[in-house]
Amino acid sequence: DSGVTQTPKHLITATGQRVTLRCSPRSGDLSVYWYQQSLDQGLQFLIQYYNGEERAKGNILERFSAQQFPDLHSELNLSSLELGDSALYLCASSTPRDTQYFGPGTRLTVL
Amino acid sequence: AQSVTQLDSQVPVFEEAPVELRCNYSSSVSVYLFWYVQYPNQGLQLLLKYLSGSTLVESINGFEAEFNKSQTSFHLRKPSVHISDTAEYFCAAERDTGRRALTFGSGTRLQVQP
Repeated sequence: DSGVTQTPKHLITATGQRVTLRCSPRSGDLSVYWYQQSLDQGLQFLIQYYNGEERAKGNILERFSAQQFPDLHSELNLSSLELGDSALYLCASSTPRDTQYFGPGTRLTVL
Repeated sequence: AQSVTQLDSQVPVFEEAPVELRCNYSSSVSVYLFWYVQYPNQGLQLLLKYLSGSTLVESINGFEAEFNKSQTSFHLRKPSVHISDTAEYFCAAERDTGRRALTFGSGTRLQVQP
C-alpha cells in the first residue's frame, strides 16, 4: 500500500458525459501527479500540482482539467468523454525531492 | 526531448532462470532512472531507482539494475525468477531540471513459467 488513495476504482459512463476522479496523496506530500495509461498510448504524464498550484503540464487534452485543494487532495475532471478516453488514470504523490508513489488507479470505461 | 525505450514487449522465462529486461534512455541532460512494476489490476510500485552515486542499485526482492552512462542504459536483472515475479515492468526517467514528470517506456511483460 503506497498511501495514495484514488476513488472510484471503476467508472463506467457514456460518450459525451463528464466525470471527476479523486486522489488523496500520502500524508505530508505536497505534489500530486496525474498519468493516463492506455493500450494505445502507454503511460503518459498529464499534469502536476504542487501545494495547490499547477507546476507542470503534459499531454493533457483541453477537455480535461485538474485542481488541488487546500487539504492537498486533487481532482481530475474529464468532460465530453470519447471512447478513446477509456484508460487507467493513475495518481502519484511525492515530497519535493523524493520518488513518486502511485495509487491503485481509476479504471474509466467510456461506452 | 527525453525518451525511454524498452526493447522487449514480452519476455517469457522459466522459473529459477535468470532474466534481463532492457531499458535505454535518451536525454540531453542528467536523468534519474526508475523501474516500476505493475501487477494485474493494480497501480505502479517502485522497484528500484538510480539518482546518483553507485551505478548498481538493488531492490529488496532480488532485482538489480545498473546505470550505464556511456551506453545510456538501465537494464533490470534478476539471477533467479519466481512465478510471483510475473508482471509488467516499466522503466522511467525524470530529468534533473526541476520538472518532475516521469517519461515511461512502453513496458515489458515478464511471464514466468513453471
